[in-house]
Amino acid sequence: AQSVAQPEDQVNVAEGNPLTVKCTYSVSGNPYLFWYVQYPNRGLQFLLKYITGDNLVKGSYGFEAEFNKSQTSFHLKKPSALVSDSALYFCAVRDLRGASGGSYIPTFGRGTSLIVHP
Amino acid sequence: SQTIHQWPATLVQPVGSPLSLECTVEGTSNPNLYWYRQAAGRGLQLLFYSVGIGQISSEVPQNLSASRPQDRQFILSSKKLLLSDSGFYLCAWSRMRGGRSTGELFFGEGSRLTVL
Repeated sequence: AQSVAQPEDQVNVAEGNPLTVKCTYSVSGNPYLFWYVQYPNRGLQFLLKYITGDNLVKGSYGFEAEFNKSQTSFHLKKPSALVSDSALYFCAVRDLRGASGGSYIPTFGRGTSLIVHP
Repeated sequence: SQTIHQWPATLVQPVGSPLSLECTVEGTSNPNLYWYRQAAGRGLQLLFYSVGIGQISSEVPQNLSASRPQDRQFILSSKKLLLSDSGFYLCAWSRMRGGRSTGELFFGEGSRLTVL
């Protein structure tokens, strides 16, 4: 089965500084990787995905992620953090489950709480 | 454009009472549908997913059930709630491509259930 790991429960960064939220993956075959953001008491919102092609993927709200095959990582980055970026961030990998050809189901990491200080 | 609606947003129920959470998707056809539970504001637990009308896959044996009576309607139910059923329930859908989900999910705003 495919899996992702988010090694940090919480990341603290000052507003205006660059931020990185880490994710590593374990897959057989080519990985399909995703980042989602969740604001308090809201549903998750899709940020970006990697399927193939350029290792640097650009997404919503100025976020980008770098796919690194040799390190099996897909870290989320932003050059300059905003207080409004404070939220819970989830990394996910597409997994194939079920019989009869199966269905692609995302497997989520545990989430990383990003806190941006003014 | 596609939208997903989930209700009720908040629910407080006594132990032993029934539950019905509803989710509908607009602007797409034959989506994959999902129910997740999020406990303690952190990890997501996949409860059920559906690839078509009447087709439900259960990920975790539990006190809950799901039904898909129409293509874009997904219902989460319980006959008798337990304290441990409290949590934040999220419905989601994904597009189909080549007969399979693309894997990219679009979530509803969630339903917070408190069982007392």
